[in-house]
Amino acid sequence: AQKVTQAQTEISVVEKEDVTLDCVYETRDTTYYLFWYKQPPSGELVFLIRRNSFDEQNEISGRYSWNFQKSTSSFNFTITASQVVDSAVYFCALSPLYSTLTFGKGTMLLVSP
Amino acid sequence: NAGVTQTPKFQVLKTGQSMTLQCAQDMNHEYMSWYRQDPGMGLRLIHYSVGAGITDQGEVPNGYNVSRSTTEDFPLRLLSAAPSQTSVYFCASSAGAPQDRPFSPLHFGNGTRLTVT
Repeated sequence: AQKVTQAQTEISVVEKEDVTLDCVYETRDTTYYLFWYKQPPSGELVFLIRRNSFDEQNEISGRYSWNFQKSTSSFNFTITASQVVDSAVYFCALSPLYSTLTFGKGTMLLVSP
Repeated sequence: NAGVTQTPKFQVLKTGQSMTLQCAQDMNHEYMSWYRQDPGMGLRLIHYSVGAGITDQGEVPNGYNVSRSTTEDFPLRLLSAAPSQTSVYFCASSAGAPQDRPFSPLHFGNGTRLTVT
């Protein structure tokens, strides 16, 4: 069975602070994908990024970066110089080949001006 | 560029009433699914479909019914609403089932907020 743990239920930061959202996963499968989704206050869920189990390169996209480490089964998400528009619930998800997709319970990020 | 369309956005039901949440996608996706989102519980899979005529149960299927007569539509039926079904419901689709195409991201509708009194 697989599991995704987002231990941080809520995080509050002040604008321009850097913040890291943690995601730890468990799976016995060797082929899998990891995802991050964003749910802003308006409610819709939006796909942010995907990473496969064979590619441990970190990725940077503007203020966002993702650190995938198989050794610690983690796929953490960092926002640099946070902005109010980053306020949202962020979900990490694990999708192993031949198994069901599993979401973490989400981390609510509140960025104050 | 519609993507996944859910209706209605809001609904209030009395206990025992039935209703159908509608979901339609225009991306020719084979896989469609329904999730419910509750505080502290994350997203839980209710039912899913890997193609027209094929449906299967997810993690929390009790009290819900689905059918998939076309590729585009995947309605969710509440047979006899209960207060425990008060939740936000999301329909999601992807090009392939996660089990077969784990690299396909889900495309979500905007959600339906359902209250059962």
